[in-house]
Parts: sequence; C-alpha cells; structure tokens
Amino acid sequence: QSALTQPPSVSGSPGQSVTISCTGTSSDVGSYNRVSWYQQPPGTAPKLMIYEVSNRPSGVPDRFSGSKSGNTASLTISGLQAEDEADYYCSSYTSSSTPRVVFGGGTKLTVL
Amino acid sequence: QVQLQESGPGLVKPSQTLSLTCTVSGGSISSGGYYWSWIRQHPGKGLEWIGYIYYSGSTYYNPSLKSRVTISVDTSKNQFSLKLSSVTAADTAVYYCARVSGYTRFDYWGQGTLVTVSS
Repeated sequence: QSALTQPPSVSGSPGQSVTISCTGTSSDVGSYNRVSWYQQPPGTAPKLMIYEVSNRPSGVPDRFSGSKSGNTASLTISGLQAEDEADYYCSSYTSSSTPRVVFGGGTKLTVL
Repeated sequence: QVQLQESGPGLVKPSQTLSLTCTVSGGSISSGGYYWSWIRQHPGKGLEWIGYIYYSGSTYYNPSLKSRVTISVDTSKNQFSLKLSSVTAADTAVYYCARVSGYTRFDYWGQGTLVTVSS
C-alpha cells in the first residue's frame, strides 16, 4: 500500500481541465512543501512536472499547475491535450521515521 | 544536459545479490548539491523509492528495504551503485536511477533497466 493516496484513474475530454489529488498525512504532505508530480507515458521513465508544490521546471507547459491544502496536494491540467494521457505520480518528503521519500500509487489519465 | 544510464544484469537468481550501476554524464557527482537515487517500479505498479546517496557518502534508505540495500558512490568514475541482497521474485522490477535536489525533486532520470529474479 502506497503512503500517498491517489485516485486510480481520471479522465477528461480535450480542452477540459482535470485535477488529480494526492492525500498524505501531517508527517508528509501536511508538514512540508516538498511535493512533486511526475508524468509517465507508457514504457518511458517518469518526467518531473511540478516541484515544491507549485513550481514548474523549465519546459513544462503552464497548463500544468500544482497546489496544496492541508494534507492533500493537487495537480491540475487545463486545456487537456491527447499527449497528456499518461500515468501521474505524486511524491513527498517525510520524516515520520527517518528522512525519506514517499510516492503515491499513481493515477492513469485518459483523454477521451 | 545531465544524463543517467543504468547498467547491470537483467536476470538474477533468487537469494543472490542484485547489483546495478548508474553512470552520470553531463555533470559531476562530486560537485555536490544533489542526491543520487534509486527508484524501482514493479510491473504494472507504482514507483517505490529505494534510497539515495550524497557525494560524500551519506545515505538514506527506504525503511522497508534498509536491511537489504546498500548504495555507494564512486566519484572517480562519476557513478553510483545499488546492491540489493537476498532477492526474491518480489524484487522483479524496472530499476531507475535519478538525480535529486531539495530531497524530493527527481529532475533527471535514467531510462530504467528491467531486472528479473528467477532461477
């Protein structure tokens, strides 16, 4: 069982917006602004899309945005495009026992 | 442009030790400022953080794997390595290496290598 909880799947039509949630605890998401999001198309390595809750690396479209409220972080993709179809993973820093990283179970985004 | 490349056996027998190396190009491990990490992904499943190492040799491991994992660094070769002992079929996965900043920003990844544990 993953430490961070994500919905198994979400879907949306081209042009629409979708939001993927990532729920943790007060030991990880709730205590640290060190939440990242990764996009993983089938058969490829993950790609960093958002770091430190809401920051985009260079080259990531501004259609991708991140936020956090309490123990839940969210990734919003606006203006959905067919190329956005992939698995998405969140991660967070946690120090519940020893400093470490936890990932979510992943969410499959389907563009209808 | 930083690039990472995993290498090592694709098949390991049960009870043996899995050994992988990640070669870094386009940047120096010894320059500091980053952790260097191993992550794995079981077939059809999510990502699991294994651990990471700083150029000085400081390491942090996933508590669930800590008793079997060793991550080491060779700055002279600009490589870092993973050893996972006493493997079982449950260790069959794609293993990725990655560069990490700010503890959780995995900004550069290798392409991944599939390791199968089977006799």
